[in-house]
Amino acid sequence: AQSVAQPEDQVNVAEGNPLTVKCTYSVSGNPYLFWYVQYPNRGLQFLLKYITGDNLVKGSYGFEAEFNKSQTSFHLKKPSALVSDSALYFCAVRAPPASGGSYIPTFGRGTSLIVHP
Amino acid sequence: EAQVTQNPRYLITVTGKKLTVTCSQNMNHEYMSWYRQDPGLGLRQIYYSMNVEVTDKGDVPEGYKVSRKEKRNFPLILESPSPNQTSLYFCASSLKAGTSYEQYFGPGTRLTVT
Repeated sequence: AQSVAQPEDQVNVAEGNPLTVKCTYSVSGNPYLFWYVQYPNRGLQFLLKYITGDNLVKGSYGFEAEFNKSQTSFHLKKPSALVSDSALYFCAVRAPPASGGSYIPTFGRGTSLIVHP
Repeated sequence: EAQVTQNPRYLITVTGKKLTVTCSQNMNHEYMSWYRQDPGLGLRQIYYSMNVEVTDKGDVPEGYKVSRKEKRNFPLILESPSPNQTSLYFCASSLKAGTSYEQYFGPGTRLTVT
């Protein structure tokens, strides 16, 4: 079975400071990993994904994430936070079909990011 | 503009009164799915469809039905809604059913069943 953990319900950071939103996963085989962002009263928007290749993935709005296989983590990062980054962030994992993965992705519970002016 | 649309955005209904939430995408995506979002539980998949006339259960399908008669539409049907189906519902689509494809989400439908 696959699972995702987002250990922090809320992350607080000052504008201009770097931010990290944590995600760890458990899956058979090599994972497909995704980050989505949900702004208030909106649907989720895709930020970035890791499928294979370079462990550092760059995505929308200046976000990036680092895949660490040994630590089974895929933390979301941004060098300098903006107040407009305040939102709910979801990590998701899928196992590739060769590993018995299904078309049902597993989402974490979400982390609320609050960026203070 | 490429998008996933859902209607209605807000719905208050009573127990047992059948309802349908529509979902439509204009990106010619093969894969569509429905999720519910509940506090502390994240997103859970209800049903998904890999293409026209191909649907399958997700993690929490009880009390829901779906159909996929056209590629662009994927309605969610609650035949006899109950209060435990009060939730925020999202429709999503992706180009193909492969697990490496990201999903595009609709704006959500907030359903309250009294």
